[in-house]
Amino acid sequence: GDSVTQMEGPVTLSEEAFLTINCTYTATGYPSLFWYVQYPGEGLQLLLKATKADDKGSNKGFEATYRKETTSFHLEKGSVQVSDSAVYFCALRYSGNTGKLIFGQGTTLQVKP
Amino acid sequence: NAGVMQNPRHLVRRRGQEARLRCSPVKGHSHVYWYRQLPEEGLKFMVYLQKENIIDESGMPKERFSAEFPKEGPSILRIQQVVRGDSAAYFCASSPSRVGTGKDVLHFGNGTRLTVT
Repeated sequence: GDSVTQMEGPVTLSEEAFLTINCTYTATGYPSLFWYVQYPGEGLQLLLKATKADDKGSNKGFEATYRKETTSFHLEKGSVQVSDSAVYFCALRYSGNTGKLIFGQGTTLQVKP
Repeated sequence: NAGVMQNPRHLVRRRGQEARLRCSPVKGHSHVYWYRQLPEEGLKFMVYLQKENIIDESGMPKERFSAEFPKEGPSILRIQQVVRGDSAAYFCASSPSRVGTGKDVLHFGNGTRLTVT
């Protein structure tokens, strides 16, 4: 069945370090791909998305490129801040679907000053 | 504009009791989704509702769980005769229209954390 796999956390970085959180997916067809972020005690917020192969989603300095050949959607940021500490979820959804998202297990990011 | 409002934030129930979780979508949103997050896991889809209709309940356990989204009032996720394995965070999300139409961003609430003792 369809699934999303993320690198295990926690990921601990110093402020201004480069961030990569790996995400790969298994799906038939051509899903849309998303990154959501969850701050402590809050719900999920959409961070960025890409709807077709080679699309790059970007927001708040974060980027991810939809790579169909490697079935990946890795999240990157050039210089993390303490305020980026959160749990990051990769997810997929089929276009025209009912909004049912398939989430990865989440990766906790801790950024230290 | 208020976002998705869920209440209560925390709910403690003894085994065998009923749990009712409420979700008020963003004003004007007519599509509601419920997701469950078990400890150390990602979110799992449970059910998708439009006003007065269940569209997709493929992620709902067959027994003890039900959901509704009446014409007036919030969406309710109801769990009867709770067991310890129901302990989780339950998130509601809403969207203004059917996803895939271009207006498909899901807005999530802050969740209800259910603890069954």
